[in-house]
Amino acid sequence: DTGVSQNPRHKITKRGQNVTFRCDPISEHNRLYWYRQTLGQGPEFLTYFQNEAQLEKSRLLSDRFSAERPKGSFSTLEIQRTEQGDSAMYLCASSPTGGDYGYTFGSGTRLTVV
Amino acid sequence: DAKTTQPPSMDCAEGRAANLPCNHSTISGNEYVYWYRQIHSQGPQYIIHGLKNNETNEMASLIITEDRKSSTLILPHATLRDTAVYYCIAGSRGDYKLSFGAGTTVTVRA
Repeated sequence: DTGVSQNPRHKITKRGQNVTFRCDPISEHNRLYWYRQTLGQGPEFLTYFQNEAQLEKSRLLSDRFSAERPKGSFSTLEIQRTEQGDSAMYLCASSPTGGDYGYTFGSGTRLTVV
Repeated sequence: DAKTTQPPSMDCAEGRAANLPCNHSTISGNEYVYWYRQIHSQGPQYIIHGLKNNETNEMASLIITEDRKSSTLILPHATLRDTAVYYCIAGSRGDYKLSFGAGTTVTVRA
């Protein structure tokens, strides 16, 4: 297993455009998480999935954000009508259910909105 | 989740032990102490976790005080590749939401 894979690694978009990021978790992990990290800050929780069910969404996840995990495998995070404030690193992580072994994070997608 | 407090930065000499402190005075009985680190431009990496007892793995040792109000992460022989931001997090087992603070920026110098 190659760990958690995120694509693309970098994305530059114009304000108002839509963007979509993809996360492929570790195959046997049924929990998947999205975090956002701005410069100089620690990661902030956005949302998480148990298999295909999205069980919690942070208040940080405005109506312009949507995440899916069809069939409980890969996940996508879409941002509609991007704003400059959306510029950040978007991190995906996965873990087994109920485990206390810690998350495995991907390398993230860095979004720059110009 | 209990709040944790870490120094913003610290330096360490290559080859020496690095001792990273963390205060978690409001930690509850079922909350673990987790440590992650984040090397520049990468995602956070899990290091170690513990509840009451001291723990050791191939990366580090975790020393938790008897009252569980503080802990120390020990990197026994720091290398330049250990330069990173280190996060101490208190959370319940199987928590789906980790609360990262600002962490400690550790710089290992040759």
